[in-house]
Amino acid sequence: QQQVKQSPQSLIVQKGGISIINCAYENTAFDYFPWYQQFPGKGPALLIAIRPDVSEKKEGRFTISFNKSAKQFSLHIMDSQPGDSATYFCAPARYSGSRLTFGEGTQLTVNP
Amino acid sequence: GAGVSQSPSNKVTEKGKDVELRCDPISGHTALYWYRQSLGQGLEFLIYFQGNSAPDKSGLPSDRFSAERTGGSVSTLTIQRTQQEDSAVYLCASSRQGGANTGELFFGEGSRLTVL
Repeated sequence: QQQVKQSPQSLIVQKGGISIINCAYENTAFDYFPWYQQFPGKGPALLIAIRPDVSEKKEGRFTISFNKSAKQFSLHIMDSQPGDSATYFCAPARYSGSRLTFGEGTQLTVNP
Repeated sequence: GAGVSQSPSNKVTEKGKDVELRCDPISGHTALYWYRQSLGQGLEFLIYFQGNSAPDKSGLPSDRFSAERTGGSVSTLTIQRTQQEDSAVYLCASSRQGGANTGELFFGEGSRLTVL
């Protein structure tokens, strides 16, 4: 867990605003960078993921930005909606590895 | 069902008792993972199965924890002589092929364990 640090721990955004969650990692062998979304009482579900051959990936309102030199990647949620209220986890991994290393999570609340 | 199924969804036990948690992965998924999530915390890796073998069990916190998988399908996580610090949600996930990064992990809803 110490290899991956997420920030902020919690985030409150107004509906329509932009939510930004950051993830810093130490292991330079990581080469797969997913974000998982978890609603209360449910297991996490894959939201979006990126490989290091690109610096940005966009899927609808969700964008991953990747900065290899800084060993950081971030999740941007545009036009945030109350339904986006959940806990978000970054979970970088080695492409040849067997596990995801989860961050401690960011609890996002989007106020209507 | 179409998703990962875990049972029981809730388990309350007394300190010192043994518990078994069950996971039914998605049909055809060869890889299976167990994670543990304490209240307000991230997910802690426990063990990974590829088929019936466990090439990575380095996350099991003590020898009180064990897991097996039979028929390349159902997995059971056993905790012996439970302690209060074992209280957590135990999450199971499966994926089509080996390697957490080669495909999406599909998680179950978890088994919430409370040790009194």
